[in-house]
Amino acid sequence: NAGVMQNPRHLVRRRGQEARLRCSPMKGHSHVYWYRQLPEEGLKFMVYLQKENIIDESGMPKERFSAEFPKEGPSILRIQQVVRGDSAAYFCASSLRTDNYGYTFGSGTRLTVV
Amino acid sequence: AQSVAQPEDQVKVAEGNPLTVKCTYSVSGNPYLFWYVQYPNRGLQFLLKYITGDNLVKGSYGFEAEFNKSQTSFHLKKPSALVSDSALYFCAVRGSEDNFNKFYFGSGTKLNVKP
Repeated sequence: NAGVMQNPRHLVRRRGQEARLRCSPMKGHSHVYWYRQLPEEGLKFMVYLQKENIIDESGMPKERFSAEFPKEGPSILRIQQVVRGDSAAYFCASSLRTDNYGYTFGSGTRLTVV
Repeated sequence: AQSVAQPEDQVKVAEGNPLTVKCTYSVSGNPYLFWYVQYPNRGLQFLLKYITGDNLVKGSYGFEAEFNKSQTSFHLKKPSALVSDSALYFCAVRGSEDNFNKFYFGSGTKLNVKP
């Protein structure tokens, strides 16, 4: 069981470019969560998805950010027209069910905007 | 509203000494509490959780945590620290009711165990 796989591990983008972050949940997990960790801070919830559905996106910035979890393939967090303030570590987690009391986190994607 | 506070940015202990990393929480309803550890450039690793039952919870790598309802605390402890325990530790509480799918994390405490 490979765990939650995130790629790339590191991503450098120039201001104005698009960033695509991928997350493959653990085998059998159909619930995916994205969190953002700004420097020197804890993780902040962004979005919760199930296959083909966004369940809760209350933590997503209103503009430029979007997420999807298609029927086939990984979950994608997309940031359009990146700015320096988007530089952070983005973590994905997955769970088997909503009543499962623990997530499994991936190793994260560290986005640097230059 | 749910929240978690970790009052110490950093904790320093000598190897072999006991360690405590503090966490207090605020939640409506029953608290579901967690500790995670993060090593440099790595993801979060689950240490332990409190859902219900015994107030003393035992977890991975010899860590344990004590749930104290009256003090709304969930401090992480280990009787004898190792240098390899040096890492960033996060306390988290799961949201209640409509926010059950969210975790609320503290800002983290850096543990430094000296040889």
